Amino acid sequence: AQSVTQLGSHVSVSEGALVLLRCNYSSSVPPYLFWYVQYPNQGLQLLLKYTTGATLVKGINGFEAEFKKSETSFHLTKPSAHMSDAAEYFCAVRGSGSARQLTFGSGTQLTVLP
Amino acid sequence: KAGVTQTPRYLIKTRGQQVTLSCSPISGHRSVSWYQQTPGQGLQFLFEYFSETQRNKGNFPGRFSGRQFSNSRSEMNVSTLELGDSALYLCASSLSMGLGYNEQFFGPGTRLTVL
Repeated sequence: AQSVTQLGSHVSVSEGALVLLRCNYSSSVPPYLFWYVQYPNQGLQLLLKYTTGATLVKGINGFEAEFKKSETSFHLTKPSAHMSDAAEYFCAVRGSGSARQLTFGSGTQLTVLP
Repeated sequence: KAGVTQTPRYLIKTRGQQVTLSCSPISGHRSVSWYQQTPGQGLQFLFEYFSETQRNKGNFPGRFSGRQFSNSRSEMNVSTLELGDSALYLCASSLSMGLGYNEQFFGPGTRLTVL
C-alpha cells in the first residue's frame, strides 16, 4: 500500500520568503511522486514530478522538489514566495500494477502575506 | 489542444436521487480516472477506465459506477445519493495505462451538492 503525509495543513509565509511544504511518502515499490496545485474552484495543475533520474526536480512557477529516498521525503520549495502562489498544494504518489492510481496527501493551504 | 472538460460544472440534487457526471478527455488520451474531493476525506480515487474497461477501482460502495465509451469519453453515476456524496468530482485523463509514467491531466471538476 502507498500513502502520503503532508506536514502542516496550513502554512503562512511573507511575500519574498522561502516556501517549504513538506511531504513524506510510503510505497512498497519505487514511486512516482508529484506535487499538484489547486486554486479555488479549479482542478489540479501539475507543478512537478519525479519519475526516475535526477533527484532534484524543477517545476513550473519557480518551484522545485528533491526526492530523498533515505528520508522517504519529497519536500516542495520555492526561494521567494509571490502573492499568486497562494493556493492549496497536494503531494501525491503513484505506484505500479494494482497501485497505479494517484494517492494524495491531505493538502497544505499556503497563505502568502504582504 | 483542448484540456479535459467536465460537465456539468455544478449540480444540486436531493437525497435519494441519482446523478450522472460526464468527462471528455484530452484528444488522443485513452485512460480516464475519477477522483472524489471532500473537506473531510480529501482526494480519493474512484476508478480508472481504459479501452472501455474498468481497470482499477477504489474503495467506494457500489452506488458509484462508471463507464467509458469508444471515443474515450467517460461518465460516472452515483445512485441513491447521500448527503456525504457532496463533493468535487475530478476527472483526469492520460495517454495510456501502460508500463512507465503517464501524466494525468485534470479537469476543472463537477461540484455536486446533495440536499
